[in-house]
Amino acid sequence: QKEVEQDPGPLSVPEGAIVSLNCTYSNSAFQYFMWYRQYSRKGPELLMYTYSSGNKEDGRFTAQVDKSSKYISLFIRDSQPSDSATYLCAMSLNQAGTALIFGKGTTLSVSS
Amino acid sequence: NAGVTQTPKFQVLKTGQSMTLQCAQDMNHNSMYWYRQDPGMGLRLIYYSASEGTTDKGEVPNGYNVSRLNKREFSLRLESAAPSQTSVYFCASSWLNYGYTFGSGTRLTVV
Repeated sequence: QKEVEQDPGPLSVPEGAIVSLNCTYSNSAFQYFMWYRQYSRKGPELLMYTYSSGNKEDGRFTAQVDKSSKYISLFIRDSQPSDSATYLCAMSLNQAGTALIFGKGTTLSVSS
Repeated sequence: NAGVTQTPKFQVLKTGQSMTLQCAQDMNHNSMYWYRQDPGMGLRLIYYSASEGTTDKGEVPNGYNVSRLNKREFSLRLESAAPSQTSVYFCASSWLNYGYTFGSGTRLTVV
């Protein structure tokens, strides 16, 4: 079993839809959780950062962490064609000394 | 601000040739990383350097070597390239694990 599992999609939605992206993980020691967005032929860029359990909101994006279920989610409200990208979840055990473990990424396409 | 700069952007190698991928960051980050990204495999860690003077193996280190030249620069060397090393290589840097900044990638083809 991989440490981090993420459905690769692809996921296709119409403009304005609510999108839910998810990852599960096996290591209960993970403390820091992130979502990265990667446009085609570009490097990933940090979208959301969460420590431990709970929700975090930033504009149209909401990140949720449920450590009891070892499950994290990213919600995108009022999706736009510009949200079309690959979304990667990432997590780490601590703040320093160990590298991030990434999911394989989910490819999202938002049609106008 | 350049962020993380990777060179070259594209490279074609013949099997058995060697090359070094260069990475430099101007954000005064302590930690630097090399990942490879393959279709269906996601980002896999090759090597990382938590701080200047230290390097550690990641998930897929075989066939690669790294050098943390100074705080700004972290290079990745392929001593004898193989077709299995055809990939997109990303360098990243961070202050602790908060928010990696990635370079734009090097697309490497080994024929």
